[in-house]
Amino acid sequence: DAGITQSPRHKVTETGTPVTLRCHQTENHRYMYWYRQDPGHGLRLIHYSYGVKDTDKGEVSDGYSVSRSKTEDFLLTLESATSSQTSVYFCAIRSGTGNTEAFFGQGTRLTVV
Amino acid sequence: AQSVTQPDIHITVSEGASLELRCNYSYGATPYLFWYVQSPGQGLQLLLKYFSGDTLVQGIKGFEAEFKRSQSSFNLRKPSVHWSDAAEYFCAVGAGNNDMRFGAGTRLTVKP
Repeated sequence: DAGITQSPRHKVTETGTPVTLRCHQTENHRYMYWYRQDPGHGLRLIHYSYGVKDTDKGEVSDGYSVSRSKTEDFLLTLESATSSQTSVYFCAIRSGTGNTEAFFGQGTRLTVV
Repeated sequence: AQSVTQPDIHITVSEGASLELRCNYSYGATPYLFWYVQSPGQGLQLLLKYFSGDTLVQGIKGFEAEFKRSQSSFNLRKPSVHWSDAAEYFCAVGAGNNDMRFGAGTRLTVKP
């Protein structure tokens, strides 16, 4: 298995609180991604990174920010969590673009109450 | 940006029967196409991928997929389904840029 660790694996938080999810990789891959998975929507791209300090928005980036200060870590922050952000969040890594395979973490289940 | 449509939300097949899961993509140039499988509570695992060459690609676990440019499709097939194939299947498209987009998924139920 690709060396991807997501933390925490489960979290329950209150509306309005900030939340940070962490993705850590040991593969030294350049590209890292955050997706959210919701029934009926599949995986939707939130943000991605193409290098240290290089990030870009995906299709559902509102309410989320990211940071990548080291190759191995990609953080996803919900500045003020809302119930609509209750979801399962997946981190993925790729060594390149195009036809390069993405490897996924085990996911973080976030519940906002 | 590229996009993917999986028309079937849920499919049920009998064990031993053949399977075809549909995937249609939208992208202006030659796409990079992928099929992933997700077992309950797990992350996603790559089944197969296509970029160029032979339009029929073989993957793991006995799956194959056929790229049809004229139909903008990349359908996944398996001749004989096993109970362990019950899972959710995602089609994805990568472009020349950095991101990868996924379809909404098709949940496969296998009847004994």
